[in-house]
Amino acid sequence: DSGVTQTPKHLITATGQRVTLRCSPRSGDLSVYWYQQSLDQGLQFLIQYYNGEERAKGNILERFSAQQFPDLHSELNLSSLELGDSALYFCASSVGGRTSNGQFFGPGTRLTVL
Amino acid sequence: ILNVEQSPQSLHVQEGDSTNFTCSFPSSNFYALHWYRWETAKSPEALFVMTLNGDEKKKGRISATLNTKEGYSYLYIKGSQPEDSATYLCAFYQNAGNNRKLIWGLGTSLAVNP
Repeated sequence: DSGVTQTPKHLITATGQRVTLRCSPRSGDLSVYWYQQSLDQGLQFLIQYYNGEERAKGNILERFSAQQFPDLHSELNLSSLELGDSALYFCASSVGGRTSNGQFFGPGTRLTVL
Repeated sequence: ILNVEQSPQSLHVQEGDSTNFTCSFPSSNFYALHWYRWETAKSPEALFVMTLNGDEKKKGRISATLNTKEGYSYLYIKGSQPEDSATYLCAFYQNAGNNRKLIWGLGTSLAVNP
């Protein structure tokens, strides 16, 4: 158990809908990262937050947004969902903001868009 | 465009064999190189974070080296065991002002036959 929690574990929704994925980092970790892993693709870095502020941006679509709250939990919002958004979404956390330490991954949320 | 390449894509070895794989990354503005181990149905787990040219890290039978000038890192597993079967991912962090990204390779899938 990495100490990073993600909810829900599974999510099934329809195209055009909007969903919110939630992540609680390990106690004491200030950075949260979001990743997408689609079938046959590697881990795609979406976005990083550090202590409430956006720190780095990866291949995040405009339909997606994220935020980190004062209690350091983070939410990833996915809107106007398309079939291709079906994937495993991981959240990871680390102590620092520049990944000088390794990241600890949550169990992931599997999103299925029908 | 930042590219991180891992080779080989997959590897099958016998129990007791030693093996190694490569992660290649751009050599400019290096900040850090991470190795992760990702077992099926689990989340990625950090193995090493490497930041200095010439770094060598070791954890049990697994070790890694880093050459930032030529842009590669090797991961070695000595005396492979079936429990080493996993996908080994490397992730490259480039220090580029405000445009920081963590770029992940697609991984090397290792299967160790008993």
